[in-house]
Amino acid sequence: EPEVTQTPSHQVTQMGQEVILRCVPISNHLYFYWYRQILGQKVEFLVSFYNNEISEKSEIFDDQFSVERPDGSNFTLKIRSTKLEDSAMYFCASTERGRVSYNEQFFGPGTRLTVL
Amino acid sequence: GESVGLHLPTLSVQEGDNSIINCAYSNSASDYFIWYKQESGKGPQFIIDIRSNMDKRQGQRVTVLLNKTVKHLSLQIAATQPGDSAVYFCAENRPNFGNEKLTFGTGTRLTIIP
Repeated sequence: EPEVTQTPSHQVTQMGQEVILRCVPISNHLYFYWYRQILGQKVEFLVSFYNNEISEKSEIFDDQFSVERPDGSNFTLKIRSTKLEDSAMYFCASTERGRVSYNEQFFGPGTRLTVL
Repeated sequence: GESVGLHLPTLSVQEGDNSIINCAYSNSASDYFIWYKQESGKGPQFIIDIRSNMDKRQGQRVTVLLNKTVKHLSLQIAATQPGDSAVYFCAENRPNFGNEKLTFGTGTRLTIIP
């Protein structure tokens, strides 16, 4: 069964450093998402991406965050200068088409980011 | 503020019994709801969904009920098994907040007691 994959599973970084989290969405999917989950809290929407541009983003997704689809398979989330409060699980998701109420979002296993 | 919230953070159920997990939402414009299961170390996994023009939907061992009058959603799991132990999230799509984002609730940890 096709699945979303994410690497690394765990990333430890120093405050102020840049990190890139990587995702490989399901191959025929066209819409891509990043969510995050701070330990013990809700899963929160960060950004959605379609046709090489951001289609929606939350207030969390500030100038420190960026997303990119550098090739035909990867989808990345970059945090330019990490803060302690960026420590969380980051989930990538993808759908075949965009409107969420008609298309199941498939989630990856997540990357645990720890900022020291 | 508007939110999707859960009544109980933890729930323990004897194996074989039925379980009910509840969720309240506050945005009457929400038109689509999903229940996700999250096992330790994994991402959310789709269980069942329901649109706002329905009040009940059944899957395999799971039933979702939607009461729009009181903005309440529940997930019923029948004949629970050890593999049902996980955190369960409700999530909603609010069209007036974007067609593509899901708003998640806090989560309920379900533990199945053998």
